[in-house]
Amino acid sequence: DIQMTQSPSSLSASLGDRVTITCRASQSIRTYLNWYQQKPGKAPELLIYAASSLQSGVPSRFSGSGSGTDFILTISSLQPEDFATYYCQQSFSTLRTFGQGTNLEIK
Amino acid sequence: EVQLVESGGGLVQPGGSLRLSCAASGFTFSSYSMNWVRQAPGKGLEWLSYISSSGSSIYYADSVEGRFTISRDNAKNSLYLQMNGLRAEDTAVYYCARDDSVSGYRGTWLDPWGQGTLVTVSS
Repeated sequence: DIQMTQSPSSLSASLGDRVTITCRASQSIRTYLNWYQQKPGKAPELLIYAASSLQSGVPSRFSGSGSGTDFILTISSLQPEDFATYYCQQSFSTLRTFGQGTNLEIK
Repeated sequence: EVQLVESGGGLVQPGGSLRLSCAASGFTFSSYSMNWVRQAPGKGLEWLSYISSSGSSIYYADSVEGRFTISRDNAKNSLYLQMNGLRAEDTAVYYCARDDSVSGYRGTWLDPWGQGTLVTVSS
């Protein structure tokens, strides 16, 4: 199975900060990488698909980059509603896998 | 509005069985592959299973292979997960999610997700 490793596991930041979350795959997954946001008690929601494509309705302060094994989710200027847990997920393999998540907290 | 609604969760004893359902609406269910994903309390997301639009291709995570069975009824716009031999570690919120993609791109993503149904395995 393809292992997905996110870093950091948790992150404290302030409103207006620029934040980056990294996701590394155990083998090349080309651009078959998606990012999700999950708020407490809610289902995950798609943010970024195909490594860098912004899902419709998602604010432009979110962006994704990378290919192969290393990927980055960037939030350009943190807003109150962005404090949540973020997950990466690969679809290169038929056995899809998620990263362990990054919990973004208010500093 | 595209919507997925899970049902069938509850309390079950270790070794028991449960069947989850996911009712789809607002899109042509028979044209989409579907997935089950779970989340144990306080833990991350775990992908469990995939079924193609026709049901001809099915995949499972190692953790549930041989115990869980995914199926679908396109006439009823419904997805199912039959869970047998349940263990305490299967306690989780179970989500169904649609497999989405765009023409010309082999990758897929999960969108939308249902609200989830809680399964608790305990004596």
